[in-house]
This record gives sequence, C-alpha cells and structure tokens, in this order.
Amino acid sequence: AQSVAQPEDQVNVAEGNPLTVKCTYSVSGNPYLFWYVQYPNRGLQFLLKYITGDNLVKGSYGFEAEFNKSQTSFHLKKPSALVSDSALYFCAVRGWGGYNKLIFGAGTRLAVHP
Amino acid sequence: NAGVTQTPKFRILKIGQSMTLQCTQDMNHNYMYWYRQDPGMGLKLIYYSVGAGITDKGEVPNGYNVSRSTTEDFPLRLELAAPSQTSVYFCASSYGTGHGDGDTQYFGPGTRLTVL
Repeated sequence: AQSVAQPEDQVNVAEGNPLTVKCTYSVSGNPYLFWYVQYPNRGLQFLLKYITGDNLVKGSYGFEAEFNKSQTSFHLKKPSALVSDSALYFCAVRGWGGYNKLIFGAGTRLAVHP
Repeated sequence: NAGVTQTPKFRILKIGQSMTLQCTQDMNHNYMYWYRQDPGMGLKLIYYSVGAGITDKGEVPNGYNVSRSTTEDFPLRLELAAPSQTSVYFCASSYGTGHGDGDTQYFGPGTRLTVL
C-alpha cells in the first residue's frame, strides 16, 4: 500500500535554530516525493520535490530535503528558522494510477518562536 | 497569470441544499483535481480529470459530481449537502504526463464550506 507518515503533529523551534520536519513513505518502485507548505487560510504552496538524482534537494525559502532510500525518509530541513516559517507542512508521495495522484501525510505544524 | 482560482471563498449551506464550487486555471494544465481537507487528516482526493471531457473518482467521491467541458474549468457539484461535507475544498492542477514539471500540482486558495 502507498502511504506517507508525518510522525510529529507539531514541531517547536526557536528562531535562528535549525529545523527538521520528518516524513517517511511507503511506495513500490522509485518514489516521487514532495513538500508543500500551507499558511493560515491559504492554499498549499509547492516547496520542493525529489524525482531522481542528488539526494539533497533544495527548494523555496531556503528549505531543503534529504532523500534516504534505505530509511524510506524525506525529511524537510532549514539551517536557520524564521518566525515567518510558522505554517503547516505536508509531505506527499506520487502514487501510481496514470493521473499523477498525490498521497498526502496528515501534516506537521511548525511553530517558530522568537 | 492568476494560477488556480476558486470561488466562493466561504459558504454556509443548510442540509439538503446544493451548490457548485468553481475552479479555474490559466496555466493550460491538462490535469485537474479536487481535494477536501479535514482537520488532522491531510488532503483526500475527491475527483480528478486528465483532460476536457474526462473525469474519474478519487478516494472520497460520494456526494459529489464534477464535469470538465473546457481545459480551464473544473467545477465541483455538491448535491443534497450533509454535515459530513463540512470541510475546506481545494482545487489543484498540473501539466500531467509528458511534461518536465508534470508531477507538480498547483493549488487554489480553497473554499471553506459549512453545512448546518
């Protein structure tokens, strides 16, 4: 079965500290992995994706994610958190079915404190 | 380039009423999707379309209908609204297969629907 797990409902980080938002996946074959961010009362915004190639993917707003095939993980990272990074973050994996189906995790709320 | 637009932003319905949520994209995307977002549950796919005239069910299609008469528009119809349909609804689109960015979905701002 195809699935995505985000084990933390909320992550709290002090401004200026590094942050990590965790994601693990289960899918047959090579995974296509995505991170999206949702600010309050807004739609989801694409941050970055891994399709193939370098395991470290760089995306928008200084975020990056590391693909680890052996641990089936795709953790989102940022070296120095900003208060404005506070939002809801979704990890997703592309399922198979011919229509680029995305399977989303339940989301992790990131709170960055001044 | 407005991207994906949705109307209305908010709506309150009474049980048994019907309504149509509008979605339009101006990126010439072939694929379009409707999701609902319930608290703590991530997004669930309701319906999708891979081109004008072609639609199919997602994970949670019951109580909804869609049509796709043009590339740009993908309206979602709720018939006989029920409290269980209280949710935030997102429309998304993507280029689809054969395009370098075909996998990335772009989302509208959402419609917050309450059924009382």
